[in-house]
Amino acid sequence: SQQGEEDPQALSIQEGENATMNCSYKTSINNLQWYRQNSGRGLVHLILIRSNEREKHSGRLRVTLDTSKKSSSLLITASRAADTASYFCATWTLDMGRRALTFGSGTRLQVQP
Amino acid sequence: KAGVTQTPRYLIKTRGQQVTLSCSPISGHRSVSWYQQTPGQGLQFLFEYFSETQRNKGNFPGRFSGRQFSNSRSEMNVSTLELGDSALYLCASSDSGSQYNEQFFGPGTRLTVL
Repeated sequence: SQQGEEDPQALSIQEGENATMNCSYKTSINNLQWYRQNSGRGLVHLILIRSNEREKHSGRLRVTLDTSKKSSSLLITASRAADTASYFCATWTLDMGRRALTFGSGTRLQVQP
Repeated sequence: KAGVTQTPRYLIKTRGQQVTLSCSPISGHRSVSWYQQTPGQGLQFLFEYFSETQRNKGNFPGRFSGRQFSNSRSEMNVSTLELGDSALYLCASSDSGSQYNEQFFGPGTRLTVL
């Protein structure tokens, strides 16, 4: 089962606009990570935010974390056509002694040139 | 450093056959994890190997197995293939310094079962 649910499932914007994706999760976390996946390819790690952090920046990316609401958001500013991809949040979960990186369902972002 | 490599990139098999996929982690990474990605179930964790030992296992049937060699390279085997095993299989490696680190993914192996 998916630990996280992402919202929206799909997002289409124009180049230069900002894109915001949201992620909710169910259990307490050590950290939350965001990954990008270009169509049918491997995932690329974007950013990791620890449970004691509320906001983190990396280039045009801004991630926020609200542990009280068990939610996170990823903001991509000044989007480019090359940002077109699927974006996933992921958290480490512990279930019956099994530790796994559990992914959300993803947001498909389309940036129109 | 070279990234995570996976071979083969594409594979077509028929039901009942078995398949072996290979993954070479980033140099120095001792943890290797495997994931299955399908349109219906999304990304699901299969198992993790660390220093040649299975450290964690997801909720997959015993037909899915793996191993890791002393050079950290890993293989995943699926026996008695079913149509539902058609998926993108992703391998990821990580720095073993923490069990909660980011994962570095390979390009994946696209398996099609006919």
